[in-house]
Amino acid sequence: KAGVTQTPRYLIKTRGQQVTLSCSPISGHRSVSWYQQTPGQGLQFLFEYFSETQRNKGNFPGRFSGRQFSNSRSEMNVSTLELGDSALYLCASSLESSGGTDTQYFGPGTRLTVL
Amino acid sequence: AQSVTQLGSHVSVSEGALVLLRCNYSSSVPPYLFWYVQYPNQGLQLLLKYTSAATLVKGINGFEAEFKKSETSFHLTKPSAHMSDAAEYFCAVSVPPSGGSYIPTFGRGTSLIVHP
Repeated sequence: KAGVTQTPRYLIKTRGQQVTLSCSPISGHRSVSWYQQTPGQGLQFLFEYFSETQRNKGNFPGRFSGRQFSNSRSEMNVSTLELGDSALYLCASSLESSGGTDTQYFGPGTRLTVL
Repeated sequence: AQSVTQLGSHVSVSEGALVLLRCNYSSSVPPYLFWYVQYPNQGLQLLLKYTSAATLVKGINGFEAEFKKSETSFHLTKPSAHMSDAAEYFCAVSVPPSGGSYIPTFGRGTSLIVHP
């Protein structure tokens, strides 16, 4: 079974631009979660989607948004990029739940650099 | 609200020595606890998880962790370190939802360094 894939793997943008990251979950998984990983803040939960609906949202500004499609693929968008948005963005999929008894499978991440 | 504290941002051991990575949690209700490993330029991989069954949990690659409610701890151990164990390790906690879904909270991570 193929793992979680994320595209692109690396991205360089400038301040003020917007960016879209993509995540394809493991086949059959309906929950997709996004995390931001930085040296300063560690791993922080962004949001979780389940069956095309946002089920939970972390403490991030409205510039961070996402969506999930009927095939469970998910995208996240960051508008008006700031230098502080430079991070590794991780996507994780699971059968039903982001942090319960289901195992979350993580993708390799997208490394975003904002100049 | 739940939280996780990982003691020691770096732990250094010799190959063949005992590995002990510490994790303490805070939760007002019985939690689910997880240990993940992250190798350079990769995502996280689940090592093991505690979901209120046996308190001693065995995971992959010879790792195990013991849930101690009285100490609010979930330390990760491995009897004999291998060079391939060098990586970043994350402890995470989540609690059963009240009106929502689970949202895991991660510790800041511990970098395990293994010397030959």
